[in-house]
Order: sequence, then C-alpha cells, then structure tokens
Amino acid sequence: AQSVTQPDIHITVSEGASLELRCNYSYGATPYLFWYVQSPGQGLQLLLKYFSGDTLVQGIKGFEAEFKRSQSSFNLRKPSVHWSDAAEYFCAVGVQGAQKLVFGQGTRLTINP
Amino acid sequence: DAGITQSPRHKVTETGTPVTLRCHQTENHRYMYWYRQDPGHGLRLIHYSYGVKDTDKGEVSDGYSVSRSKTEDFLLTLESATSSQTSVYFCAISEASSNTEAFFGQGTRLTVV
Repeated sequence: AQSVTQPDIHITVSEGASLELRCNYSYGATPYLFWYVQSPGQGLQLLLKYFSGDTLVQGIKGFEAEFKRSQSSFNLRKPSVHWSDAAEYFCAVGVQGAQKLVFGQGTRLTINP
Repeated sequence: DAGITQSPRHKVTETGTPVTLRCHQTENHRYMYWYRQDPGHGLRLIHYSYGVKDTDKGEVSDGYSVSRSKTEDFLLTLESATSSQTSVYFCAISEASSNTEAFFGQGTRLTVV
C-alpha cells in the first residue's frame, strides 16, 4: 500500500533562513504529489502539486518542491522564510486509479525572530 | 475560497451518544471526503464518496458511517461516540479523485467525554 513519510515532526528555523521539508513516498508507479499548509485552527491549503513534466514545481507563497524519482522524494523548499510561514505542512500522495489522498504525519514549522 | 461549510465547528458529547457532522459544498464537486486529524498521525481518511449514494471506507472507518443523499451534503455519523473519537474532523472535496486538488473545510473539533 502507498505510504508517505515526513521524517521531521518539528523544525525550527530563523526568519530569513532557507527551509527544506522532507517527504518520502512509497508507491510503485509515479504518484500525484501535493504539499499542503495548515495554519493554526484552519483547514488545509494547497501549496503546490506535481503530476508530470518538469520535476521542479513552483507554488504559492514562494515555495517550490522537487520530485526525485530515484529517491522517492518530494521535498519542499523556500529560500528565505518569513514569520508568517509558521504552520504545519503536510505532504500527500494521490494514487492513479484510487480515489483518495494519503497524507504524511505532518511537519510543524516554527520560525525564530 | 472553495464553498465548503462544516457544522458544527465545535461539539462536546458524552460517550455512547450518536453524533452527526455535516459537510456542505456549493462547488458541485463529485468527490467528498471525511478525514480525522490527530497529533502524530496527520490526516487519516475515514470515508469518502464518489457520487450520490456512492460511498466507500477509508483506513479508519470503524465506528463511523456516512451518507450522501445529495451532491452538496456529506454526513458523518458516529454511531456511539467513544473517547478515542475525540479529534478534529475535516471534510474535503475534489472534482476528480487522486489527481486534482482537494479543498478542505475549516474542521470540526469533537470532544467525547
């Protein structure tokens, strides 16, 4: 069965520093890949998605992610974080032919001033 | 924002009582989902629907039932609430299944005492 692993439960970075959140998936074929962000007390908002084509995808709020098939990874990056980026981030996998998304456990991001 | 409304937003109920959560959409999307969010587990799929009267189980469906009698409404029922069902419940909708963006409601915080 497909699965998603986010190895880092909690990450703290300083404002202005670069960020990378890791996501690894387990699935035999190329999945559909998503990153969502959840601000406190809110629902989830889509940051970006990958279906095919260019393996580097751009999203909202200055985020990007790179699909690496050889590593089964889809890591999220941002060159310079802002205090407003503090939130929980979820990686998700959609399986072709299935009718659901599978989510990782989430990574909570804290920003130090 | 996608037109998704969850009700109630907060509920406290006693063990053994039935509880129904409602998800209402104005987007005419075919797919609707119920997830629960718990610390350390991310979002886990409870049930989903791929059309009126068409529903299927997710990974944590025990103790839950759903109904979809109209495109716009997807109800989640806890037959006899237990403390382990204390959680935050999210409804999501999507036009297609695994290869399109899912839009999330604001969530319902349910406490079973």
